[in-house]
Amino acid sequence: GESVGLHLPTLSVQEGDNSIINCAYSNSASDYFIWYKQESGKGPQFIIDIRSNMDKRQGQRVTVLLNKTVKHLSLQIAATQPGDSAVYFCAEKENYGQNFVFGPGTRLSVLP
Amino acid sequence: DGGITQSPKYLFRKEGQNVTLSCEQNLNHDAMYWYRQDPGQGLRLIYYSQIVNDFQKGDIAEGYSVSREKKESFPLTVTSAQKNPTAFYLCASSKKLAGSSSYNEQFFGPGTRLTVL
Repeated sequence: GESVGLHLPTLSVQEGDNSIINCAYSNSASDYFIWYKQESGKGPQFIIDIRSNMDKRQGQRVTVLLNKTVKHLSLQIAATQPGDSAVYFCAEKENYGQNFVFGPGTRLSVLP
Repeated sequence: DGGITQSPKYLFRKEGQNVTLSCEQNLNHDAMYWYRQDPGQGLRLIYYSQIVNDFQKGDIAEGYSVSREKKESFPLTVTSAQKNPTAFYLCASSKKLAGSSSYNEQFFGPGTRLTVL
């Protein structure tokens, strides 16, 4: 597989447990955030997004929480499955900004 | 099927050679991007293009060149001037928000792994 994520922080969870992956961002002007999932050897896949006028958004088995006061974003995965094993990273963008800034990611490892 | 494709998946280059990585999208997206991914780091922007025949340097453009002759295509050339080209290269595209200068989420291709021998 690819060497992406060799030195990333790792979160190990038991299959069926809930996972929480965190992301701190630095730009207080950022107002649009995305979580991506990247499996080994593949390109990132969009999971869920949130705008700064919200503090919570839910998808299928995933929830994103945004705390603008402390500039913190989290991704919660319910009932984690082996197929959830991947690197997860956040991306942020300013309103009307052109480009995203990407975090380095967290490796999620699901234990049987 | 709509999507974004990159080729080749693996590429090997000798020192001193230029190589070109292909990126094609049939999503009718306005903007296209090239990123470099290294272990333990976030994606770093090399070049981006918001319209045909126009492109802008990203954070690490030195040693790279691009063209945008068609909306669907955004090839990246890694030149011999790039001192450390071994990396995973990702292409992405996004659609402009209606009535705005901002863009939606970026969709990524599967990536090209470039190794310099």
